[in-house]
Order: sequence, then C-alpha cells, then structure tokens
Amino acid sequence: GDSVTQMEGPVTLSEEAFLTINCTYTATGYPSLFWYVQYPGEGLQLLLKATKADDKGSNKGFEATYRKETTSFHLEKGSVQVSDSAVYFCALVVQGGSEKLVFGKGTKLTVNP
Amino acid sequence: GAVVSQHPSRVICKSGTSVKIECRSLDFQATTMFWYRQFPKQSLMLMATSNEGSKATYEQGVEKDKFLINHASLTLSTLTVTSAHPEDSSFYICSAITGTTIYEQYFGPGTRLTVT
Repeated sequence: GDSVTQMEGPVTLSEEAFLTINCTYTATGYPSLFWYVQYPGEGLQLLLKATKADDKGSNKGFEATYRKETTSFHLEKGSVQVSDSAVYFCALVVQGGSEKLVFGKGTKLTVNP
Repeated sequence: GAVVSQHPSRVICKSGTSVKIECRSLDFQATTMFWYRQFPKQSLMLMATSNEGSKATYEQGVEKDKFLINHASLTLSTLTVTSAHPEDSSFYICSAITGTTIYEQYFGPGTRLTVT
C-alpha cells in the first residue's frame, strides 16, 4: 500500500539554523507529494506541494523537491524563525488510485530564540 | 482563508457513554468532509468520508456502528463515538473541501477524547 515515512522528532533548532526534515514514500501509482504544517492550536494547512518528478514546491522560505529516484520529498529551510515552530506532516495522494491523503507521523519542530 | 472549527476541543467521558464531536466550516460550504484519527506518535488515519445528505463511506476496519457520522448540512458534520471505551481515546480531526481537489483540505484543530 501507500505509505509515508518521515524523520522522528522532535527537532530543536536555534533561530537562523538550517532545517531539513526527511520524508520518503512508497506508492502504488504516481503520487503527488505535500507538506502540511500545524501551528499550535490550529488545524493542518497545506505548506507546499509537488505533482511530478523534479518539481520543487516552495512557500514561506520552505522548499522540497520531488525525487523519484530516491522516492523522497525532504523539507528544507535555510534560516528558521521562532514562528516556524510547529508540527510538519509529509503526505501523498495517488490520483486515480485510492485518492486519499496518506500522512507521515509528523515531526515537531521547536525553534528557540 | 477558510476556517474549520471543532467542538469540543477536549472531552473526557466515562466508559460506556457516547460522545458527539462537531465539525463546522465557518465561512464556506463543504461538499465533502473527512474524519481522521491520530494516535500518539502515529499518522493521521482516515476514518470516513462524508458528503452532505449521504451516508458516510467508512475505511476498512472502522466500525460504522461505533463511529456514527452525520453530515446534515453543507457546513456541519458530526462524529458520535457510541459506547466509548478506553481504546477509543484518541485525537480526532475533521477536514473539509469545497470542490474535488483532495489535497486542498481545510482542517479543524482536532478534538482530544479521553475515555476513563
């Protein structure tokens, strides 16, 4: 079946540090890939997406590149801020397949000033 | 942006009782709503999909008689956990979409259910 594996958290960084959260996937078809973010007390919201191989999704300084050869979609940010503290979820959906969002377990990021 | 609310945010109930969780889309009409469950340190797992005025579609392994879903209007869906037991304790999250783009879901903040 379809699944997403992301790095265990929590991750604690100092402000302006470089962030990488690893995400790999297995899929029965050709997936679209997503990162969602959940800020404290709020619902998940879509952060960025990529729908085909080599696409780069980007938003709010975050980036992730769809790597078909390594089945990965790692999230990166060059300089994190305290306001980036949140839980980050990697997810996929296989169009024409189950058409359900399949999530990873989430990675909690804390950024200290 | 579109907002989805859930009520209550936390609930504690005794074993054997039923508890209802509400999910509302505050500023849009939701064609479809979804209910997820999240155990500690686990992924969000889709429980069911509901369309207004139709019976919910449950995922394999989810007991439809235990988790009753009612989608009575385009802005409200409810999940009732019947005869709750401690193993039903979990974090329940709803989401909604306005069209058919499955990844453009607007998520509620979740409801923490504890069954004692």
